[in-house]
Amino acid sequence: DSGVTQTPKHLITATGQRVTLRCSPRSGDLSVYWYQQSLDQGLQFLIQYYNGEERAKGNILERFSAQQFPDLHSELNLSSLELGDSALYFCASSQGNRGLYGYTFGSGTRLTVV
Amino acid sequence: AQSVTQLDSHVSVSEGTPVLLRCNYSSSYSPSLFWYVQHPNKGLQLLLKYTSAATLVKGINGFEAEFKKSETSFHLTKPSAHMSDAAEYFCVVSENGGSNYKLTFGKGTLLTVNP
Repeated sequence: DSGVTQTPKHLITATGQRVTLRCSPRSGDLSVYWYQQSLDQGLQFLIQYYNGEERAKGNILERFSAQQFPDLHSELNLSSLELGDSALYFCASSQGNRGLYGYTFGSGTRLTVV
Repeated sequence: AQSVTQLDSHVSVSEGTPVLLRCNYSSSYSPSLFWYVQHPNKGLQLLLKYTSAATLVKGINGFEAEFKKSETSFHLTKPSAHMSDAAEYFCVVSENGGSNYKLTFGKGTLLTVNP
């Protein structure tokens, strides 16, 4: 157990729907990062939050949004889902805001859009 | 901007033989470099990290990597492969000193270990 908790582990939903993925960072970590892993794109950085504020944005679609709550857990919202959104979504956390010493990853949420 | 190139998408070795997974990077600032491993249907686990201290970095499970600034490389090695090493390995760069707060991942190298 890495200390980063992601729920749910698996999610199957239909095109056009909206889902919410949840992440609880490791105790003491203030930064949360979201990544998407797909066969064709590899690991893609989506977005980072540090202590409740958005810090960096990567290849995140406008249909996707995220937030970090006062208790530091984070949610990634995916809407108007398309088949191509099927992927493994990872959350990672780090103590600081630059991941200088590496991140701790959760075990991921596997999203299947049908 | 930072980038990472893993030179081999797939490496196959026999159990007990050495492992070499190659990684080259580019970075505008002094980089931190990492290797992560992902076993099938699992999350990513940090193997080792270089953060401007010793250039030869030792990690878990007998892996090590050497930071070579002149060659912009950070290759991962292990003297003797074990069946449990079969996994996908990601080389990762993070820039220090810039405004870039994200890690950039290589596309991964799939390591197969044959009995």
